Amino acid sequence: NAGVTQTPKFQVLKTGQSMTLQCAQDMNHEYMSWYRQDPGMGLRLIHYSVGAGITDQGEVPNGYNVSRSTTEDFPLRLLSAAPSQTSVYFCASELQGCNQPQHFGDGTRLSIL
Amino acid sequence: AQSVTQPDIHITVSEGASLELRCNYSYGATPYLFWYVQSPGQGLQLLLKYFSGDTLVQGIKGFEAEFKRSQSSFNLRKPSVHWSDAAEYFCAVGASPNFGNEKLTFGTGTRLTIIP
Repeated sequence: NAGVTQTPKFQVLKTGQSMTLQCAQDMNHEYMSWYRQDPGMGLRLIHYSVGAGITDQGEVPNGYNVSRSTTEDFPLRLLSAAPSQTSVYFCASELQGCNQPQHFGDGTRLSIL
Repeated sequence: AQSVTQPDIHITVSEGASLELRCNYSYGATPYLFWYVQSPGQGLQLLLKYFSGDTLVQGIKGFEAEFKRSQSSFNLRKPSVHWSDAAEYFCAVGASPNFGNEKLTFGTGTRLTIIP
C-alpha cells in the first residue's frame, strides 16, 4: 500500500515552460487536494476534488489547472511556469467522512528560473 | 474568511522539558481544528483534531491540545519532549466536516528545535 505518491520529487523549469505534477493514491479516497508551501506562509490550497470528474478552486488557483478523470489520479498542470510558482507542492487525499485525516505525499520541490 | 495565527516562528526547548505551541484561529462558525507535524523533506502527518465534544484532545506521539472557544485558541502541548519531536508544526482550521478537509486553512508553522 503506497499511500499518496508524488512525482517527480524535484524539478527545475525555465519561465514559460509547461509541466504536469503527478499525484496518485491507492486508498480509493474520494477527496484529493493540491497545496503549495512557501516559507513563512504555511500551506495554501490550490485546487481540490471531491470525486472523479469534479474539481474546484482553492485559495491560490491562478496559473494552475487540474483534472480528475479517475479516483486514483489528480495531476496538477502548470501551463506557463513563472518564477512566482517556485515552491514545494504537496498532494493530499482523504476518505469521505467527517472524521478522516488527510494523507499527504512527500512533496515536489519545483524551481522556476 | 477563516484564518489561523501561529505567533511563534521558532521555539527551542531542552529535551525532557514541557512544550506548548500556540495557535489562534478566526472562524465564523464552529471550527474544526487540526495540528499537523512535518519532518524535513516529508509531507504532513496529522497529530490530532478537534471536531466537537471534550475540549482536551489527545493525539499521537504523546501530544494533546486544548480548544478554548473564549480565547479562540487551540494550543498544542507535550509534557516532555524527545529529540525526535524536532520538526515543523502546523495548526489548521477547516470548514464543515460534511465536505471533508479539502478546505483547510493552515497557519504559517512553528519550527521546533530540541537541544540536549
